[in-house]
Amino acid sequence: ELKVEQNPLFLSMQEGKNYTIYCNYSTTSDRLYWYRQDPGKSLESLFVLLSNGAVKQEGRLMASLDTKARLSTLHITAAVHDLSATYFCAVKGGGADGLTFGKGTHLIIQP
Amino acid sequence: EAGVTQSPTHLIKTRGQQATLRCSPISGHTSVYWYQQALGLGLQFLLWYDEGEERNRGNFPPRFSGRQFPNYSSELNVNALELEDSALYLCASSSNQPGDTQYFGPGTRLTVL
Repeated sequence: ELKVEQNPLFLSMQEGKNYTIYCNYSTTSDRLYWYRQDPGKSLESLFVLLSNGAVKQEGRLMASLDTKARLSTLHITAAVHDLSATYFCAVKGGGADGLTFGKGTHLIIQP
Repeated sequence: EAGVTQSPTHLIKTRGQQATLRCSPISGHTSVYWYQQALGLGLQFLLWYDEGEERNRGNFPPRFSGRQFPNYSSELNVNALELEDSALYLCASSSNQPGDTQYFGPGTRLTVL
């Protein structure tokens, strides 16, 4: 059974600081996704990572994938308040399954 | 381009009733996924439909069912509602091409009293 673990689950940080969210998964997967969810809203797609060593960047967010370690990271650079949200990683298994999500990281960025 | 749409936005039912939730995928997407986001349980995969067929389902009882129509829209039916079925139900669509992303709709908030 595919398991996805995120840490930390809760993160409070100040504007201007850097931080990393970690996502570990338990079995081989060919795709890893990062989503953002604002309170009361749906999920917004941020990144899809398809291969070992993949790195994608959008603004202050950068995601990377190490398939050998079964680890993805979401790095936040010089955080700003607008990035406050819950961030989910999700993995699609080798079979014909839906996505398996981590529990989410609730990120609060304080001015 | 229109995104994934869901209706209704909110639905209030009583225990034992049936609920029907609807989803329209992004134009050109043939796959529709349903997820449940319940408080304390996180996001869980419910069902996957592609080309009108149920392709896979998550660890949910048979009273959760659905279908996909020829225009690729989908319906999720929940029979014999229980209090713990109260959750946000999210629909996502994708093209199922390599590297595809699942794009999520705004969700239906189901409350069971």
